[in-house]
This record gives sequence, C-alpha cells and structure tokens, in this order.
Amino acid sequence: NAGVTQTPKFQVLKTGQSMTLQCAQDMNHNSMYWYRQDPGMGLRLIYYSASEGTTDKGEVPNGYNVSRLNKREFSLRLESAAPSQTSVYFCASSESRQAINEKLFFGSGTQLSVL
Amino acid sequence: GENVEQHPSTLSVQEGDSAVIKCTYSDSASNYFPWYKQELGKGPQLIIDIRSNVGEKKDQRIAVTLNKTAKHFSLHITETQPEDSAVYFCAAFDPTNAGKSTFGDGTTLTVKP
Repeated sequence: NAGVTQTPKFQVLKTGQSMTLQCAQDMNHNSMYWYRQDPGMGLRLIYYSASEGTTDKGEVPNGYNVSRLNKREFSLRLESAAPSQTSVYFCASSESRQAINEKLFFGSGTQLSVL
Repeated sequence: GENVEQHPSTLSVQEGDSAVIKCTYSDSASNYFPWYKQELGKGPQLIIDIRSNVGEKKDQRIAVTLNKTAKHFSLHITETQPEDSAVYFCAAFDPTNAGKSTFGDGTTLTVKP
C-alpha cells in the first residue's frame, strides 16, 4: 500500500523556470493538500482540494497553481520559480471532504531548491 | 487568525524518562488538535489527535491533554525509547476556516540511550 506518492524527491531550478510537482494517493481519499515546510517552521498550507473538481487557496498561495486531475492526483505548479520558493513540499490527503485538515496522510516530500 | 506556539523547540531526555511538549493556541473556535511525528527525510505522521469535547486521550505510551479554558494542549510520551527521536508538530484547526491550518514550529526530541 503506497499511500501518498510524490515525485520528484529532489529538484533544482533556476530563477524563472517552471515545474510541476506530482502527487497521487491510493487510499480513495476525498481531500488533498499541498504544504510547504521551511527550516524551523511548521507546515504552511498552499492549496487544498476538498473533492474532485474543486480547489481552494490556503495561507500562502501566491506563485503557485494547482490542478486536481482526478480523485487520485493533485499537482502543484510553479510558473516562474523564485528563490523564496526554496522549501520542502509535502502533499497530503484525508478521507473527509467536510472535515478539512483532519487525519492527514503525508507523502515523503519534495526538496526544491531555486537558485 | 489562529496562532500556535510550541515549546520547547528542542528536548533531550534519557531513555526511559518522560517527555512533555506544550502548545498554546489563540482562536477559541479551533476544535481539532492533532500531533504529528516527523522522522528524518520523511513526511509527518499522525500519532494522536484530540477534539475540543475531550480533555485527555491515551494511546499506549503517548497521551494528549487539552485545556480549553487556558487554550493549551500537551503531548506526553512515557518510557521514551530511541525510536521516539524525531520532530513533533502540534496543530490547531478551526472548522470554519478550512483554508487555514496552523501548525506549531516543531520540537526536536532526542532520546539518549
């Protein structure tokens, strides 16, 4: 049982480049999330999707776009990467579409460096 | 908005001792309080959670207590083992504000054998 799978695990970008982080879950969960984690800080919510076909902004959405491709997959796109987006990105999922943010299952993360 | 403060930022204990990590929150509307454990190179994993209608919850060696009046909750780990060494995060969630998830800054727990 894979749970939440993120790709890639590591990525280095130059300022201005674009890339898409992929996330897939095999638990038939309704809600999916993207968080970023910066050194010495807690997790901050970028975007979330309560159900297939819906997406909503979290605390720090600027500079990012998301796509809920289907129930399993939720991608995060950086259109023009900036050094401030250097971070570890985590995808997560949860079963409920009403009780957002409860009982989150996280992927193993993507370490992104923007030079 | 919600603000969660977590203390201490680092904690070192001897194997077999107890460890306590405390969090305070500011928004009285928050009603769900999870704790996550993050091992090196991995994503956070939920270890225990509590809702605002419950004062205490236990699961083997870990327990969480909640004081709604004082707006603080704590994680208690008894009989610590080296495999408990990790970063622990608390969080507070307000169901009326789904886009806002507030995590503490984390506590690095080291259990010395």
